[in-house]
Amino acid sequence: GAVVSQHPSWVICKSGTSVKIECRSLDFQATTMFWYRQFPKQSLMLMATSNEGSKATYEQGVEKDKFLINHASLTLSTLTVTSAHPEDSSFYICSARSRIENTGELFFGEGSRLTVL
Amino acid sequence: AQSVTQLDSQVPVFEEAPVELRCNYSSSVSVYLFWYVQYPNQGLQLLLKYLSGSTLVKGINGFEAEFNKSQTSFHLRKPSVHISDTAEYFCAVSRTTGGFKTIFGAGTRLFVKA
Repeated sequence: GAVVSQHPSWVICKSGTSVKIECRSLDFQATTMFWYRQFPKQSLMLMATSNEGSKATYEQGVEKDKFLINHASLTLSTLTVTSAHPEDSSFYICSARSRIENTGELFFGEGSRLTVL
Repeated sequence: AQSVTQLDSQVPVFEEAPVELRCNYSSSVSVYLFWYVQYPNQGLQLLLKYLSGSTLVKGINGFEAEFNKSQTSFHLRKPSVHISDTAEYFCAVSRTTGGFKTIFGAGTRLFVKA
């Protein structure tokens, strides 16, 4: 149980285009989902916290107009990288917290590697 | 505020040798403690977690960790490693109340050599 699916796993796009990454909790309801960015050989950088039915909370320094987050249902959150540029190339990972889980345990998606040409 | 320090960025070890990955944390409130593993180009997978009770926690793949409150440590150990244990390991803490925001350490790269 507690599976989080992230799609796509790999995406290559041209500079200036927008890319959408989906994060789905397959067998549980996730009231909260988190989006991270990970640079090579580094830890996870929390970008934003996404709560179902409300606006995402962005971490300091993360452009909310650049990284649009939508959490329309208890099982789906999306991250849209708008007008992507090469510096947005990175590994993006989502995680979800179960609605009934009260231990802080996170369930992670497989990650999405974005390459902007 | 909470913080997590993983004392070693890289740990090379020979196959079948024991290993310890060190983690220290600081927090003014009570926390839950976690170890996650990340294989190349993948998300993170929970190895084990400490919530309360026994300070020795056993996880998957033969890993265990010991919570030491006085030293604010949560070191990860395995008595005999395999090549397949080569991965990045992250220590993390989460507040027990108030939103459960998780803070990750910088990670430790475990490299198991034949």
